[in-house]
Amino acid sequence: NAGVTQTPKFRILKIGQSMTLQCAQDMNHNYMYWYRQDPGMGLKLIYYSVGAGITDKGEVPNGYNVSRSTTEDFPLRLELAAPSQTSVYFCASSYAGQGLGDTIYFGEGSWLTVV
Amino acid sequence: AQTVTQSQPEMSVQEAETVTLSCTYDTSESDYYLFWYKQPPSRQMILVIRQEAYKQQNATENRFSVNFQKAAKSFSLKISDSQLGDAAMYFCAYRGPNTGNQFYFGTGTSLTVIP
Repeated sequence: NAGVTQTPKFRILKIGQSMTLQCAQDMNHNYMYWYRQDPGMGLKLIYYSVGAGITDKGEVPNGYNVSRSTTEDFPLRLELAAPSQTSVYFCASSYAGQGLGDTIYFGEGSWLTVV
Repeated sequence: AQTVTQSQPEMSVQEAETVTLSCTYDTSESDYYLFWYKQPPSRQMILVIRQEAYKQQNATENRFSVNFQKAAKSFSLKISDSQLGDAAMYFCAYRGPNTGNQFYFGTGTSLTVIP
């Protein structure tokens, strides 16, 4: 029962480098999200998607890009990494049907350090 | 965007005692769900309990229960018979029908359990 799978789990980037965090879910959820969590802080929404081909900005989208070509995959692209992007990144998914009680499922997180 | 406020950045409790974590939220919606999530040091996000706004009865899950006061927009989590494994960051979250089915998270409360 895989759920939400994120890769890589740890990564060190140099300033100005780019990378993609991969995220896949096998629960046929229509909603997918990317959050970041800075040390000792809460979750901030970067981008989200309500279905394949549809993405939208969250609270802190600058410096990131996403795409959603399939229901299962939702990669997050970091362009020109900056130290301010040092954080733990969480991919998540949920089902938004007629009921709102479905919970959100999180991946295990990706620790990113920009040096 | 909805606002979820957790006014207690840190709390501590003696093992076997009871502790209550506070959460308030701001909304104009009448039907919505509220959630409590636990994030242990592993950073995995775990659903603790959920409550539908239309339900009068407070949700309970074993040692975890909520005090839901809809008029006051308050949603506190009570942990009874606290155990060392309860030590974690706890996040309150809101999900409503007219806010894009998004999950809005509070900033978290760090709970320490003292043996």
